[in-house]
Amino acid sequence: QVQLVQSGAEVKKPGASVKVSCQASGYTFTSYGISWVRQAPGQGLEWMGWISPYNGNTNYAQKFQDRVTMTTETSTSTAYMELRSLTSDDAAVYFCAREAFVGATNWFDPWGQGTLVTVSS
Amino acid sequence: DIQMTQSPSSLSASVGDRVTITCRASQSISTFLNWYQQKPGKAPKLLIYSASSLQSGVPSRFSGSGSGTDFTLTISSLQPEDFATYFCQQAYSSSSVTFGPGTKVDI
Repeated sequence: QVQLVQSGAEVKKPGASVKVSCQASGYTFTSYGISWVRQAPGQGLEWMGWISPYNGNTNYAQKFQDRVTMTTETSTSTAYMELRSLTSDDAAVYFCAREAFVGATNWFDPWGQGTLVTVSS
Repeated sequence: DIQMTQSPSSLSASVGDRVTITCRASQSISTFLNWYQQKPGKAPKLLIYSASSLQSGVPSRFSGSGSGTDFTLTISSLQPEDFATYFCQQAYSSSSVTFGPGTKVDI
């Protein structure tokens, strides 16, 4: 079955970087985009950006443009999201999600299980 | 960015009730609207895409409708496993995806 498995929880100090991985299985990795979405404790969902595993094209949300890098490794069907210059506001669960495009529309399905990132001195 | 709002922010209902959740976009998004269900400690799960298309494997008690700026998610007969938070998401602007703030359904 289609599955996204993310790396484990991380604890980082303010100013550090975090890199979260998302390994896909059960489908052709290069045929679908991967988006990253985060959720602060008790809060809603915030889209961070998208990457195409087919050609490496990216589209970052303006809020994260200067601090995020999304990459993929097609040999292992793995997507990565690196966020730099962490502050306490970046403490959240980070999800990857497969993005399906059909015609002019798109949706996220399935999602990874989430990776908790804690930022603490 | 397109802003998404949802109402109510939370509701309490009983098993068997018909539940309706509303999502509104700050501008017309045609039918580029998706709905997700999220249970505590879990990842969101796609329920409805393109405003009214039921995702494979999702029970038929879930339905979606609407176009333009106003959308609804309806659960025709609430079940105990439907306790969750529901989010709408606009897919009109793929370069700037936004979600609604969520509606928490308590049984």
